[in-house]
Amino acid sequence: DGGITQSPKYLFRKEGQNVTLSCEQNLNHDAMYWYRQDPGQGLRLIYYSQIVNDFQKGDIAEGYSVSREKKESFPLTVTSAQKNPTAFYLCASSIDEERAYEQYFGPGTRLTVT
Amino acid sequence: QKEVEQNSGPLSVPEGAIASLNCTYSDRVSQSFFWYRQYSGKSPELIMSIYSNGDKEDGRFTAQLNKASQYVSLLIRDSQPSDSATYLCAVTMNRDDKIIFGKGTRLHILP
Repeated sequence: DGGITQSPKYLFRKEGQNVTLSCEQNLNHDAMYWYRQDPGQGLRLIYYSQIVNDFQKGDIAEGYSVSREKKESFPLTVTSAQKNPTAFYLCASSIDEERAYEQYFGPGTRLTVT
Repeated sequence: QKEVEQNSGPLSVPEGAIASLNCTYSDRVSQSFFWYRQYSGKSPELIMSIYSNGDKEDGRFTAQLNKASQYVSLLIRDSQPSDSATYLCAVTMNRDDKIIFGKGTRLHILP
């Protein structure tokens, strides 16, 4: 899992509540990413950020929000607008040089919403 | 629509044999290719990256890239039970900031 931490490992919430997932890295990587993974599915990109104070929507951004106020941190908020939030959430980072697309993942947060 | 296709498996291989995992991609201009290993309940771990046609070897792992045929493969020699995992193929264009992941192939090494 390198120098990327995600907390908590397991998270339980009631439907209708917003919840924020933490992602911190000490690798001095410029780019950070959020994915969700559902059983038997590949990784789907939610949001990504190449530099501080800038981020872009991925393929499934609806119902999610992010911020990138510091290079080390890229928190993800799952809002009540997300229709099916129960999933395994993965944060990744990559160094913005020649091998920019070698992404390294944190340990993940498993979110269950009931 | 960019796509990365993998056989979902499970692929069962006897211990000590060669495991061969394949991946095809739809975007002809894709330039960077990766293999990740994911154990059940864990996050993906980058094990190989390849950027040019041909073979790239790292220990028991060999990645093979054929851009003309749009496929990339991963060979695991002397397969061990600890190699049992899901292997994700990932592809990107250097002009695009995003990686496209396949759904993964489940590999089961039989002791």
